[in-house]
Amino acid sequence: KAGVTQTPRYLIKTRGQQVTLSCSPISGHRSVSWYQQTPGQGLQFLFEYFSETQRNKGNFPGRFSGRQFSNSRSEMNVSTLELGDSALYLCASRAGQSSYEQYFGPGTRLTVT
Amino acid sequence: GQQVMQIPQYQHVQEGEDFTTYCNSSTTLSNIQWYKQRPGGHPVFLIQLVKSGEVKKQKRLTFQFGEAKKNSSLHITATQTTDVGTYFCAADTGTASKLTFGTGTRLQVTL
Repeated sequence: KAGVTQTPRYLIKTRGQQVTLSCSPISGHRSVSWYQQTPGQGLQFLFEYFSETQRNKGNFPGRFSGRQFSNSRSEMNVSTLELGDSALYLCASRAGQSSYEQYFGPGTRLTVT
Repeated sequence: GQQVMQIPQYQHVQEGEDFTTYCNSSTTLSNIQWYKQRPGGHPVFLIQLVKSGEVKKQKRLTFQFGEAKKNSSLHITATQTTDVGTYFCAADTGTASKLTFGTGTRLQVTL
């Protein structure tokens, strides 16, 4: 099986712009979670989608949003980018809500200038 | 909110030496997971511990869950250069997807 894929892998944006990141889970996996990783804050949970519904949300401002499509692919959007949004954004998929093992994608490295 | 601390933040060992990282939670956990992230890579799932006092082994790696389910440890026996990376614990308070990751311990192994 192919692993979790994320596009793009690298992105440079300017403050105030918005960005959309994409994640394709492992085939058959219905749960997709998003995480932000920074040197200062570490790995922080953003949100989780299962069957096109947001199931859990972390402590991030409303500028961070996401969605999941019927094929389980997920997108994450960040509006009005700030310098502090520079980070590695990782998505992880699970087979289902009763599955605990998360498979992470390679991440999207976002740099905000 | 829940906090998960790991110590040490960084450890440098000679190949063949042992290594241990400790994970402490401010709250009781449903279970705890461990992940390894190689430099430039992404986290890779290692194991999940569920029961109080549980000990699991994977070759040279030994994972332990505390009796009170508030702390955990990962011990590597006779480290190898392939063990280099950052080891994270991830705490689950009952919502499997909303993991709270620890601060991580970066392990450097030299010959």
